[in-house]
Amino acid sequence: AQSVTQPDIHITVSEGASLELRCNYSYGATPYLFWYVQSPGQGLQLLLKYFSGDTLVQGIKGFEAEFKRSQSSFNLRKPSVHWSDAAEYFCAVGARAAGNKLTFGGGTRVLVKP
Amino acid sequence: EAGVAQSPRYKIIEKRQSVAFWCNPISGHATLYWYQQILGQGPKLLIQFQNNGVVDDSQLPKDRFSAERLKGVDSTLKIQPAKLEDSAVYLCASSLARGGRRNTEAFFGQGTRLTVV
Repeated sequence: AQSVTQPDIHITVSEGASLELRCNYSYGATPYLFWYVQSPGQGLQLLLKYFSGDTLVQGIKGFEAEFKRSQSSFNLRKPSVHWSDAAEYFCAVGARAAGNKLTFGGGTRVLVKP
Repeated sequence: EAGVAQSPRYKIIEKRQSVAFWCNPISGHATLYWYQQILGQGPKLLIQFQNNGVVDDSQLPKDRFSAERLKGVDSTLKIQPAKLEDSAVYLCASSLARGGRRNTEAFFGQGTRLTVV
C-alpha cells in the first residue's frame, strides 16, 4: 500500500524568504508524485508532478520539487515566498498498479509573515 | 475548458437525514473520484470510477454511503443516514486516465462542504 507523510503541520515564513516543504512517501516501485495547493474554501490546484526522468521538476507559481529515490522524498521548494502563497499544501502519491488513485499526506499549512 | 463542477457548495443537515452531492467531470475524462476531506486532514479516496464501473470503493462506508455514475459522465454521492462524523468537504476529481501515465493528473472541483448537526 502507498502512503505519504508530511512531517510539518504548520510552517511560518517571512515574505521574501525561501520555503521548503517536506514529503516522504512509501511505495514499492517508482510512484507518480504530485504537489497540490489548497486555498481556503477552494479545491485543489496542481502545482507540479513527477512521473519519471529529470528528478528536479518545475511547476507553476515559481515552485519546484526534487525527487530523491534514496530518501523516498519529494520536497517542495520556492526561493522567495509571496504573501499569496499562504495556503495548505498537499503531497500525493499515485501508481498505475494502484489504479492511479492518489493517496494524500496530511498537508502543511503555510503562513506568510509580512 | 470547463473544470470539474460540483453542487451544492454548502449543505447543512441534521444527523440521520440524507444528502446527495452532484459532480460533472471535465468532458472526456474517463476516471472520476470522490474524496472526503475532514478538517485538518488530507483528502481520502472514497470511490473511483472508470467510465461507469467502480474501480475502487474499499474505503467507502457502504452501510451509509452510495455513489453512482450513470452513462459514465455525471456522478452522485449519497449519504443516508448522515452522522456527525460525516462533516467534511467532499471533493470530486476527474482524469483522462487512458493510455500513458501522464493522463493520470487529477483535476479537482471546489468541493461541497457538509455540516451535520
